[in-house]
Formats: sequence, structure tokens, C-alpha cells
Amino acid sequence: GQSLEQPSEVTAVEGAIVQINCTYQTSGFYGLSWYQQHDGGAPTFLSYNALDGLEETGRFSSFLSRSDSYGYLLLQELQMKDSASYFCAVMGVDSNYQLIWGAGTKLIIKP
Amino acid sequence: GAGVSQSPSNKVTEKGKDVELRCDPISGHTALYWYRQSLGQGLEFLIYFQGNSAPDKSGLPSDRFSAERTGGSVSTLTIQRTQQEDSAVYLCASSLGGEGYTFGSGTRLTVV
Repeated sequence: GQSLEQPSEVTAVEGAIVQINCTYQTSGFYGLSWYQQHDGGAPTFLSYNALDGLEETGRFSSFLSRSDSYGYLLLQELQMKDSASYFCAVMGVDSNYQLIWGAGTKLIIKP
Repeated sequence: GAGVSQSPSNKVTEKGKDVELRCDPISGHTALYWYRQSLGQGLEFLIYFQGNSAPDKSGLPSDRFSAERTGGSVSTLTIQRTQQEDSAVYLCASSLGGEGYTFGSGTRLTVV
């Protein structure tokens, strides 16, 4: 089967750096995506890693290592508005163009 | 349209009634997905459309749930004889078949 695991909750301080990890078990996939969802809102696309390595978009970076079946989302200079749930997802080669989702990590930011 | 539009945004219904939820995807997006999300939980896959056909209906919780998509565009999710456990936010997303999904704002369904 295919599954993704991520911590259920992470707490960090405003202005700090936080890393949200995602480990996966899948026979093959095209890339790793990250989505952000604020309470009461819809998930919004953040980033996509097709290749191993680090992708940077402003304060957010995402990393993928296929050999380690591991990826992470890195958030720098945390702001209170970053408080949200973060989901990792992969599109498996056998998943019929569907994303397979992690259960989400709730990021709590304290002042 | 510019984004994925869902209606209604909120729906309160009595147990046993039927409800219809509508999703209008981004123009040109061939793939359309329905998910369900309970408070504080992850995304529960319901059904996926590629064009008008539904290659994967495996996520529909029971035969009370059905969905259709016409003209490769608008989709309707129908829940018959609603139960209290159907209460959740129903999210629709569309994509070009690639990695980036665009979600609608969802329909919050409350069955009383």
C-alpha cells in the first residue's frame, strides 16, 4: 500500500524556524507536494518537489530525498499567520492521477 | 472561472433528507475530486472524475452517496437520506491532471 506519515502537531515560536517532516511508503511517485490549510479554509498549494533537493519559495522551502523516502517543509521567520495545518501529498505512479495525502500537521505558533 | 466554486457554502438539513452539493471547477481542468473533511481531521477521498467519467468511486462511504459530472465541467455530489455522521465539510478540487490541486471553499453540511 501507499501511506504518508507526518507529526500530528508541531509548536514553534514567532520568528523562529520550524521543520515539518513527511515520510512515505509508496512503490513509486512523481513528486511530493505540500498544502497549507487555515482553520475554516480550503487547502492551498504551497510547493512541489519532482526532484531530490531543496526548493525555496520565499520563507518556505521544501526538500525531498527519494533514497530516504523522506521530505520536509521548512518555514522560516515564522509569523502568526503561518498557524495552520500542513499536508504532504504524493501522486503515485499507480494512483490514477490522484494525490495520496498525509493526515496533516497542525502548526501552533506562540508569540 | 477564476477559481473552484462550490455551493452552497453552508447547508443545514434534517436527518433523512436528500442534499445536493455543487462544484464548478476551473475552466479547462479535466480532473475533479471530491473530499470530505471532519473537524480537525485530514482529507477523506470520495470520488475522482476525469472528464465525465469516474475511474475511481472507491471512496464513496455508502450507496447513499452518488456523484455525476456533466459536460466535463460542473459536478454534483448527492447524499440521500442524510445521517448525522454525514456532517462534515465537503471539498471539491480540480486540476489539469497534474500535481497542483485547486480547492474550492467547501460546503459545510450539518445534519440535525
